Amino acid sequence: DAGVTQSPTHLIKTRGQQVTLRCSPISGHKSVSWYQQVLGQGPQFIFQYYEKEERGRGNFPDRFSARQFPNYSSELNVNALLLGDSALYLCASSSTGLNTEAFFGQGTRLTVV
Amino acid sequence: GESVGLHLPTLSVQEGDNSIINCAYSNSASDYFIWYKQESGKGPQFIIDIRSNMDKRQGQRVTVLLNKTVKHLSLQIAATQPGDSAVYFCAENPNYGGATNKLIFGTGTLLAVQP
Repeated sequence: DAGVTQSPTHLIKTRGQQVTLRCSPISGHKSVSWYQQVLGQGPQFIFQYYEKEERGRGNFPDRFSARQFPNYSSELNVNALLLGDSALYLCASSSTGLNTEAFFGQGTRLTVV
Repeated sequence: GESVGLHLPTLSVQEGDNSIINCAYSNSASDYFIWYKQESGKGPQFIIDIRSNMDKRQGQRVTVLLNKTVKHLSLQIAATQPGDSAVYFCAENPNYGGATNKLIFGTGTLLAVQP
């Protein structure tokens, strides 16, 4: 079975632009979470979706939004990019919404210039 | 708790020795914990988890210990190998309710295995 897949793997954007990152969870998993990892730090929670509903939101501005599709894949959108948005964006997949193993993808490396 | 700073604590061990990586978590209500291994340029890799109704759990070459009294987790790696070199993160689920699977990551520890 394929693990969590994210696309693209790398991305370079200019300040003020918008970006969409994509994630496909492990087959059979219904929950997707997004994390931001700045160099040298641990991942920071952005969103969780379960059964296409938002179940949690971290301390991120409204420029960050996400959604989950009927096939449980997910997109993370970031508007009006800032230099500080440069980070590794990680998607985690879990079978249910609560207290189960969360498996991460390889991430999307976003660089804002 | 939340990871801070750019300088990771580093644990340097000789190949074949046992390694112990420690983590202090922040929320006494947390009831689920995971250890992750992250190699350079890759996403975190699940190693082992433990629930708050347990004190110890063993996997292949790894053991996780949970001390809820002092809010402390440790990861023990037996017979450490060069391939174990990576950054190790503990993560807690503070279980805020509403079926949220939010994980809060610790600072991370860089494990350097010397051949």
